[in-house]
Amino acid sequence: LAKTTQPISMDSYEGQEVNITCSHNNIATNDYITWYQQFPSQGPRFIIQGYKTKVTNEVASLFIPADRKSSTLSLPRVSLSDTAVYYCLVGDNGAGGSQGNLIFGKGTKLSVKP
Amino acid sequence: GAVVSQHPSWVICKSGTSVKIECRSLDFQATTMFWYRQFPKQSLMLMATSNEGSKATYEQGVEKDKFLINHASLTLSTLTVTSAHPEDSSFYICSARALGTRDSRGWSSYEQYFGPGTRLTVT
Repeated sequence: LAKTTQPISMDSYEGQEVNITCSHNNIATNDYITWYQQFPSQGPRFIIQGYKTKVTNEVASLFIPADRKSSTLSLPRVSLSDTAVYYCLVGDNGAGGSQGNLIFGKGTKLSVKP
Repeated sequence: GAVVSQHPSWVICKSGTSVKIECRSLDFQATTMFWYRQFPKQSLMLMATSNEGSKATYEQGVEKDKFLINHASLTLSTLTVTSAHPEDSSFYICSARALGTRDSRGWSSYEQYFGPGTRLTVT
């Protein structure tokens, strides 16, 4: 399973765009990139998943360069309620026929200030 | 997104007793479920992978006789912490794998949805 590296923490202010970059140098061909958000004492919440280029949904965008060795989660106009830990995970999620188990790294603690 | 529930949301038990935690996928069938444990201010640690109708696969260092996992149906997996001790106090989170969308290659991605977690305190 590909190892991921993220900044331990980030600070931002309300209304700003936040970009969190994740490195995954040994990503495999079958691997997808998935981002989760976790609030204290809650289970992680799925944010977005992608394989290459750009993926956008109602809450975030995910940018993946051609070599796929990194990815950037972009949160537009953050609010105080976006303060949470964000995890970047890489794995084939079973698409390659494996169990698809995800290994969590330390995540990025995002603090949004007023 | 898909909904995964856990019951109970919190439980306090005495040392030496057993506790069962249920994980249900409410609006989809999950052939594979996962169990994680999270200690304060730490990341989630995968404990085991549970496949419907077969034995669970445990991660290294996780005692299979202490953490019994049963995945009897496509929507229910249970984790039983046997002979619990204070060091087993933790936040236990399950997840269920759901079929996602097909990408341009025709491959199906799978998305994992997590339950809300169960706070276990062993006194």
